[in-house]
Amino acid sequence: KQEVTQIPAALSVPEGENLVLNCSFTDSAIYNLQWFRQDPGKGLTSLLLIQSSQREQTSGRLNASLDKSSGRSTLYIAASQPGDSATYLCAVHTSGTYKYIFGTGTRLKVLA
Amino acid sequence: GAVVSQHPSRVICKSGTSVKIECRSLDFQATTMFWYRQFPKQSLMLMATSNEGSKATYEQGVEKDKFLINHASLTLSTLTVTSAHPEDSSFYICSASRGGGGAKNIQYFGAGTRLSVL
Repeated sequence: KQEVTQIPAALSVPEGENLVLNCSFTDSAIYNLQWFRQDPGKGLTSLLLIQSSQREQTSGRLNASLDKSSGRSTLYIAASQPGDSATYLCAVHTSGTYKYIFGTGTRLKVLA
Repeated sequence: GAVVSQHPSRVICKSGTSVKIECRSLDFQATTMFWYRQFPKQSLMLMATSNEGSKATYEQGVEKDKFLINHASLTLSTLTVTSAHPEDSSFYICSASRGGGGAKNIQYFGAGTRLSVL
């Protein structure tokens, strides 16, 4: 049974800092992994999708990496801004299944 | 491409009423659509899977008579929460997949609907 864990659960950083969010999963047989952003009381925004054959994906200040063999993905945020404050979720699509398994998220607060 | 629209984004209703949430794939045909639910401080959990023209398949513990799912076309699925009660207050999100098997089964997610039942 796939389990997805995100560490840390919460993180506060000063503006401008580079930071790394971690996601680990127990079953390395996956189709893909997605990183999402969820703002308080609001909806979900897909940030990056990494296919199982890929090692990383980049979008602007965001870079997501995937190490399937070790069951890990990281989301790197460069030069963080207060507007980056949100909860970041990772979700894994396990091979042979039809559903994504979500982590419980990392609540990020970037202080001005 | 691959945009999924969900409506409404937020709904507040009285206990005992029914609420319908729509999920549309705007620029692709979605063979399969999925409905997830998120309770406070918990992760999103799959509720049900629907294939166009077929009855939905519900995950264990999800009441199919309470959460009615209709996937009448390749671009629209609806979730109706019948006789809603305060414990149904949650964040509901849909996703859509083109199908095709294996790694092609990427799910594209809507933004979600926050339901508050008074």
